Amino acid sequence: NAGVTQTPKFQVLKTGQSMTLQCAQDMNHEYMSWYRQDPGMGLRLIHYSVGAGITDQGEVPNGYNVSRSTTEDFPLRLLSAAPSQTSVYFCASSPTKGVLPGELFFGEGSRLTVL
Amino acid sequence: SQQGEEDPQALSIQEGENATMNCSYKTSINNLQWYRQNSGRGLVHLILIRSNEREKHSGRLRVTLDTSKKSSSLLITASRAADTASYFCAVTGGFKTIFGAGTRLFVKA
Repeated sequence: NAGVTQTPKFQVLKTGQSMTLQCAQDMNHEYMSWYRQDPGMGLRLIHYSVGAGITDQGEVPNGYNVSRSTTEDFPLRLLSAAPSQTSVYFCASSPTKGVLPGELFFGEGSRLTVL
Repeated sequence: SQQGEEDPQALSIQEGENATMNCSYKTSINNLQWYRQNSGRGLVHLILIRSNEREKHSGRLRVTLDTSKKSSSLLITASRAADTASYFCAVTGGFKTIFGAGTRLFVKA
């Protein structure tokens, strides 16, 4: 099993450019989420999805869009990159217990630098 | 915010000693989880304790949860150099799992 796969692993953008971080999971998990981690800090929740066609905002959603057209994929779009979005981005999925998420399975992260 | 906050921020111990990390949070939760992160890598789930549980064990890990004090602790017994990592608590309320800033543990061989 591949688990949670994130691409690309590294990306450099110029201010104002847009891009999409890809996330795919092969565990048939209903719940998926995106976090960002800044140096020396914990993870902050950007967006999450409880199933195909359903997304919602987390703690820091501004400047990011998500969609969930399939159970497997949960891409994160940066609309107009800013230096403040320089971070490591982690995608996670979870087998929901009834409705609520449980243990999160993480990808290896995507390191984004915005110049 | 229901964010978990860890204490201490950093901890340095000798191999063989026990390491205790604490987590506090602000609102009601469904469960509390602990994760480990090696430098630059993704997070790995260690243990989940539900809001109606008080203590849980997994190998050398012991987690306690006190919902009246909104706090949890993670105990790693007989630590090893390989336990050197950052440890994060995460609280789940509704559909959101919110992380604290973490405790950096350094185990000296």
